[in-house]
Amino acid sequence: KAGVTQTPRYLIKTRGQQVTLSCSPISGHRSVSWYQQTPGQGLQFLFEYFSETQRNKGNFPGRFSGRQFSNSRSEMNVSTLELGDSALYLCASSLASGILNTEAFFGQGTRLTVV
Amino acid sequence: AQKITQTQPGMFVQEKEAVTLDCTYDTSDPSYGLFWYKQPSSGEMIFLIYQGSYDQQNATEGRYSLNFQKARKSANLVISASQLGDSAMYFCAMREGLKTSGSRLTFGEGTQLTVNP
Repeated sequence: KAGVTQTPRYLIKTRGQQVTLSCSPISGHRSVSWYQQTPGQGLQFLFEYFSETQRNKGNFPGRFSGRQFSNSRSEMNVSTLELGDSALYLCASSLASGILNTEAFFGQGTRLTVV
Repeated sequence: AQKITQTQPGMFVQEKEAVTLDCTYDTSDPSYGLFWYKQPSSGEMIFLIYQGSYDQQNATEGRYSLNFQKARKSANLVISASQLGDSAMYFCAMREGLKTSGSRLTFGEGTQLTVNP
């Protein structure tokens, strides 16, 4: 069974540009969550998509957006990149949403560097 | 206020010894779940163990056990018989059942564990 696949693994972008990150969840999983990990802020929740609908959103500016397709694959987009957006972006896949003990399976992340 | 607090930025343990990683949490939600994840240098978060707020017994998974003290709001991870491969960053996380719909996890700052040979 394939795990969570995130592409690309590494990305270097310039300030002001936009970027799209992709996440393919485990087959059959319908919930995809995105997290930003930085040395200063730690792991912070960005948003969750379930059955193509945004279910939850963290405290991030509108420059961060996402979507989910009918096959559960998800993309997140960051527009007008800032140096502070440099981070490891992790995607988590879950079978269901709203169930307390549902395990979240994480991908290896996309390391974004903004220069 | 911090919802998940891990007070040990770094911990060292000798191979084959046991180690306890601390985690305290703060929530007013009566229904919540606590998770521990391991993050090696490769970046991927690996699920280790889960404890529900209504679970009567402490969770165990192989060499991992969770010392759950509900009244003290602590959920410490105990790793027995440490191995060199246990060297990694460890995160405590919480999911609140009623306040947050969905799968959202709130993470602590993490503890970097180093196992010495």
